[in-house]
Amino acid sequence: SQKIEQNSEALNIQEGKTATLTCNYTNYSPAYLQWYRQDPGRGPVFLLLIRENEKEKRKERLKVTFDTTLKQSLFHITASQPADSATYLCALAPPGGSYIPTFGRGTSLIVHP
Amino acid sequence: GAVVSQHPSWVICKSGTSVKIECRSLDFQATTMFWYRQFPKQSLMLMATSNEGSKATYEQGVEKDKFLINHASLTLSTLTVTSAHPEDSSFYICSANPGTSTGELFFGEGSRLTVL
Repeated sequence: SQKIEQNSEALNIQEGKTATLTCNYTNYSPAYLQWYRQDPGRGPVFLLLIRENEKEKRKERLKVTFDTTLKQSLFHITASQPADSATYLCALAPPGGSYIPTFGRGTSLIVHP
Repeated sequence: GAVVSQHPSWVICKSGTSVKIECRSLDFQATTMFWYRQFPKQSLMLMATSNEGSKATYEQGVEKDKFLINHASLTLSTLTVTSAHPEDSSFYICSANPGTSTGELFFGEGSRLTVL
């Protein structure tokens, strides 16, 4: 089965810096790799996704890269702000038409003013 | 964007009672909804897939008689935790996809259940 690894240690950075979060998977390459944000006590919020044939995707201050050789996705937040502090989950949707994504544990990001 | 609403956001109940959680898709129809459970600092665990007009599909290890799911309309799915015990205390979250081929999910706000 697919195993998804995200850093369990919280990432602490200073405001204005770029935050980079890592998502590694161990099995098949997913059709889509999705990133979500989750605030404490709330449901996750979908941010963006990248397809298996895409290398990079951008949305405002967010950038996602996808390397199927390394089986890794990187999630970047540029010019980070304290309001970006949250847990970020990656999720993999398998190929073959069954789009129920499998979620990683998430990495907590703390942006210090 | 697609909006999913969940109610109640938190509930406290006595051991042995049943609790119902509602999940509604507000601006789209959802033939399928997903129910997740999340423990602190843990990943989302898929419990079951709720199918409109038919039986839910439960993940391995999830007791279907314990967690009753009903999906009576295209906009409403309910999860009933029956005869709740303290070990059922958790954060329950529903989600749905509004029909995109890329499979992203839109989640409800979550329901924090505490069983005394």
